[in-house]
Amino acid sequence: QKEVEQNSGPLSVPEGAIASLNCTYSDRGSQSFFWYRQYSGKSPELIMSIYSNGDKEDGRFTAQLNKASQYVSLLIRDSQPSDSATYLCAVYNTNAGKSTFGDGTTLTVKP
Amino acid sequence: EAGVAQSPRYKIIEKRQSVAFWCNPISGHATLYWYQQILGQGPKLLIQFQNNGVVDDSQLPKDRFSAERLKGVDSTLKIQPAKLEDSAVYLCASSLAAGRLDTQYFGPGTRLTVL
Repeated sequence: QKEVEQNSGPLSVPEGAIASLNCTYSDRGSQSFFWYRQYSGKSPELIMSIYSNGDKEDGRFTAQLNKASQYVSLLIRDSQPSDSATYLCAVYNTNAGKSTFGDGTTLTVKP
Repeated sequence: EAGVAQSPRYKIIEKRQSVAFWCNPISGHATLYWYQQILGQGPKLLIQFQNNGVVDDSQLPKDRFSAERLKGVDSTLKIQPAKLEDSAVYLCASSLAAGRLDTQYFGPGTRLTVL
């Protein structure tokens, strides 16, 4: 079992719809959680960070964290074709000083 | 503000040859990371430096990979000898401090092909 699991996709949604991306992790010592966006052939770029249970909203993006269920998600509202990319989930264990990435979910937003 | 610089951008070598990658982090960033990203997978942390000390190198194949960060700024990652399975993109990233992934930025990466 991988430490950070994501559905590989591809996930396809129509323009204007809500895209829902999910991530589960196995390290209960993880304290920080991050979502990155990676366009094809480019480097990852950070889009959201979340540290406590609940929702965190930033523009069209909402990150949700449930530490009891070891689950973190990213919602993208009003999806645009420019959101088409691979979304990487990463978790960080402060005590261990260790960060781990999932393998990503590929999202395609169709016009 | 200048971003993370890496060179070369592309490298093609034959197996058993050696190769080196260079990274210059964002000014003021104390923590530097080297990741290996194989096609279709997420980045895998190879080594993490805090200033010029190693914080984590648990996933670095030490029989063939080595890295250094002299003077706590630039860093080089070396592979000697290379294997076919080393074909990947090598990403350098930096952040203000260890664990501050909210301040982490990636460089453009070096795409390595081992023939």
